[in-house]
Amino acid sequence: QKEVEQDPGPLSVPEGAIVSLNCTYSNSAFQYFMWYRQYSRKGPELLMYTYSSGNKEDGRFTAQVDKSSKYISLFIRDSQPSDSATYLCAMNGYEGETSGSRLTFGEGTQLTVNP
Amino acid sequence: DGGITQSPKYLFRKEGQNVTLSCEQNLNHDAMYWYRQDPGQGLRLIYYSQIVNDFQKGDIAEGYSVSREKKESFPLTVTSAQKNPTAFYLCASSSTGGKTYNEQFFGPGTRLTVL
Repeated sequence: QKEVEQDPGPLSVPEGAIVSLNCTYSNSAFQYFMWYRQYSRKGPELLMYTYSSGNKEDGRFTAQVDKSSKYISLFIRDSQPSDSATYLCAMNGYEGETSGSRLTFGEGTQLTVNP
Repeated sequence: DGGITQSPKYLFRKEGQNVTLSCEQNLNHDAMYWYRQDPGQGLRLIYYSQIVNDFQKGDIAEGYSVSREKKESFPLTVTSAQKNPTAFYLCASSSTGGKTYNEQFFGPGTRLTVL
């Protein structure tokens, strides 16, 4: 079983819809939770990150973490065609002084927002 | 401009040949990473390096080799021992520091195709 599970989609929504993207994980040591956005044939870019449980909002984007359920979500309000991309969740936990920022990724959800 | 560069963007290789992918960063980051991305697999860690002249295997290191002779450079060699090398390869870098999250910045990727 994978440490991080993410529904790969594809997910197709009309412009203006609210989008919900989710990941579940099994490693209780994970402390930092990230969402990366990846446009086709490009490198991923960090969208948001959250430490431990709670919510974080940035414009149209809201990240939620529920450590008790080992479940994280990304909500996109008023979705736009420019939001069409693959969204990857990623997580890491402290493994010692030399571990740095080793990340474990979900497989990504492909999102299309139709005008 | 600060960032990560990868070259070439597209690479074609015949079976049985070794090939080296370039990754350079001018962000003054200590840590560098190589990931492989396949459809439905997300990003999988090949090798990472926290400091010059030191590196560790990731989850799928077999058939790959790296070197870290300079802080800004972390080349990846895909050897003929790698059974299925056709994939999208992503390089990333981050600062390092114990109990904290350090954002990973990604390069644009190299798409390797074995003919």
